Amino acid sequence: AQSVTQPDIHITVSEGASLELRCNYSYGATPYLFWYVQSPGQGLQLLLKYFSGDTLVQGIKGFEAEFKRSQSSFNLRKPSVHWSDAAEYFCAVGSGYSTLTFGKGTMLLVSP
Amino acid sequence: DVKVTQSSRYLVKRTGEKVFLECVQDMDHENMFWYRQDPGLGLRLIYFSYDVKMKEKGDIPEGYSVSREKKERFSLILESASTNQTSMYLCASSPTGMGNTGELFFGEGSRLTVL
Repeated sequence: AQSVTQPDIHITVSEGASLELRCNYSYGATPYLFWYVQSPGQGLQLLLKYFSGDTLVQGIKGFEAEFKRSQSSFNLRKPSVHWSDAAEYFCAVGSGYSTLTFGKGTMLLVSP
Repeated sequence: DVKVTQSSRYLVKRTGEKVFLECVQDMDHENMFWYRQDPGLGLRLIYFSYDVKMKEKGDIPEGYSVSREKKERFSLILESASTNQTSMYLCASSPTGMGNTGELFFGEGSRLTVL
């Protein structure tokens, strides 16, 4: 069965500092991997996705993620965090032939 | 611009009431989904549909039913609402066919409170 683990429930980062959110997955075949962001009271917005090719993928809002097959990881990074990045972040795994499975989310807090 | 619209952003209902949550997408997507989201539990799949009049149970279907009479519309029904169904409900859609990656397009959510 497919699964996603986001080890950090909350993370606090100072504005301007770098960010890395961790995601580990379990999937029986080549996975498609996604990061979504959810602002308070809103739906989920896609940040980026990986399904083949270059293992470093670029997304919106200056985010990037790196697929590491050997570590079953797909960590999200941003070199300099802005206050508007405060939100909840969800990692998901799936494919075109299965429903997506989501992690439990990581809440990002940005301190001044 | 692609859009998934959930008809009600906020609802307050009483225990035992029948509740309808409506979702419409304008992207001609074949697949539609209902998730519930609770703090610390992430998103959990309730039901999904691959086609009109088709439905499949997700991970937590108990206490819910769905209806898909038209391709663009997917309704979630709580036959007799209970307090433990107080939650945020998220509708999503996705296409099938060539190039489908499983990416979901979400609505803005419906926050249901059952008193």
